[in-house]
Amino acid sequence: DAKTTQPNSMESNEEEPVHLPCNHSTISGTDYIHWYRQLPSQGPEYVIHGLTSNVNNRMASLAIAEDRKSSTLILHRATLRDAAVYYCILQEEGNEKLTFGTGTRLTIIP
Amino acid sequence: GAGVSQSPSNKVTEKGKDVELRCDPISGHTALYWYRQSLGQGLEFLIYFQGNSAPDKSGLPSDRFSAERTGGSVSTLTIQRTQQEDSAVYLCASSSPMWVDTDTQYFGPGTRLTVL
Repeated sequence: DAKTTQPNSMESNEEEPVHLPCNHSTISGTDYIHWYRQLPSQGPEYVIHGLTSNVNNRMASLAIAEDRKSSTLILHRATLRDAAVYYCILQEEGNEKLTFGTGTRLTIIP
Repeated sequence: GAGVSQSPSNKVTEKGKDVELRCDPISGHTALYWYRQSLGQGLEFLIYFQGNSAPDKSGLPSDRFSAERTGGSVSTLTIQRTQQEDSAVYLCASSSPMWVDTDTQYFGPGTRLTVL
């Protein structure tokens, strides 16, 4: 399975943008890049996904490097409710199960 | 609409007892997944059902673990002769077919299992 590497933890001030990095140097051409987050005492929730082009939705933006070996999840204006563990996951084509790593624990400072 | 639901939310059992955990997926979702999350760890894949196909059981840690999905909807994860190392949060997720929604998984709140 292609692996991802994320920092164990990050901190950000409330109301400021947050950039969460993810390295995936062994990504294959058909792997999708997914981001999920897990708030305290809850199941994970989908945030965003992409293949090659940058993506935006109501929750976040996903910036994918041109060589696809890294990506960055961007929260444009962090709130206290964004404090969670963020998982960057590669989903292989035709393989529906997700392989979660340990993710990045994001702390938001009021 | 209703999300994925799981029951019970908490289960405390004694070592050696059998337990059943239930998952109700989102209506119309053809795929159903079970994961477990030990304290402070990431999610570990257990088993995956897709429509009428044979389930992918590659993540089940031992033959004490089994799962069924009846009528393509509700699923039950059974753990026989529970051990203390089975203590974890068991999470269920469901998804539409990949050609509908690029396989976004929707997770339930989980069942916290404690084996004494």
